[in-house]
Amino acid sequence: EAGVTQFPSHSVIEKGQTVTLRCDPISGHDNLYWYRRVMGKEIKFLLHFVKESKQDESGMPNNRFLAERTGGTYSTLKVQPAELEDSGVYFCASSFRQGASGANVLTFGAGSRLTVL
Amino acid sequence: QKEVEQDPGPLSVPEGAIVSLNCTYSNSAFQYFMWYRQYSRKGPELLMYTYSSGNKEDGRFTAQVDKSSKYISLFIRDSQPSDSATYLCAMRNPGANNLFFGTGTRLTVIP
Repeated sequence: EAGVTQFPSHSVIEKGQTVTLRCDPISGHDNLYWYRRVMGKEIKFLLHFVKESKQDESGMPNNRFLAERTGGTYSTLKVQPAELEDSGVYFCASSFRQGASGANVLTFGAGSRLTVL
Repeated sequence: QKEVEQDPGPLSVPEGAIVSLNCTYSNSAFQYFMWYRQYSRKGPELLMYTYSSGNKEDGRFTAQVDKSSKYISLFIRDSQPSDSATYLCAMRNPGANNLFFGTGTRLTVIP
């Protein structure tokens, strides 16, 4: 079974530019999550999709971030315009079971490292 | 105040040692507690999962949760060089899907 795939693995852009990160979840996983780790800080939740619907976007920092999941398969996270503080590693995760109960085991991708200069 | 506190280390131990990793948290509503292991340039991988208080053992790994103290631990027995990684605690509320992570502890097991 293929895991969660993220692209690009590393992106270096200048302040003000746009970057789009892509996540391909495990096939059949309805739940898709975006998390972010800023240097020296903990991994923080950004948002959660159930299929193509945004279930919870309470962690999105501001309106420069736009996440989509058209058709309920892969997802993109666009940052426009990028600022210096957006630098970090963006992780995507997916799960099969939406878990009010149960572990709701998340499988993480390797992350997309974003460097904004 | 952070939701989850974790000593970032780094922690270096000789092969065969017992390792103790810990996290404290402030939100008494957390019921699901997890330990993730992250190797360099990889994503976090679920290692252990515990619901509410108690102990759980899986091979050389034991997870403990003390909800009265808001304190969770991961013990690694007979540590191996392949255990060298960053260990992240994470937790969540029932009915919620977002995880709250600690900053992670970097562990090196020296052969």
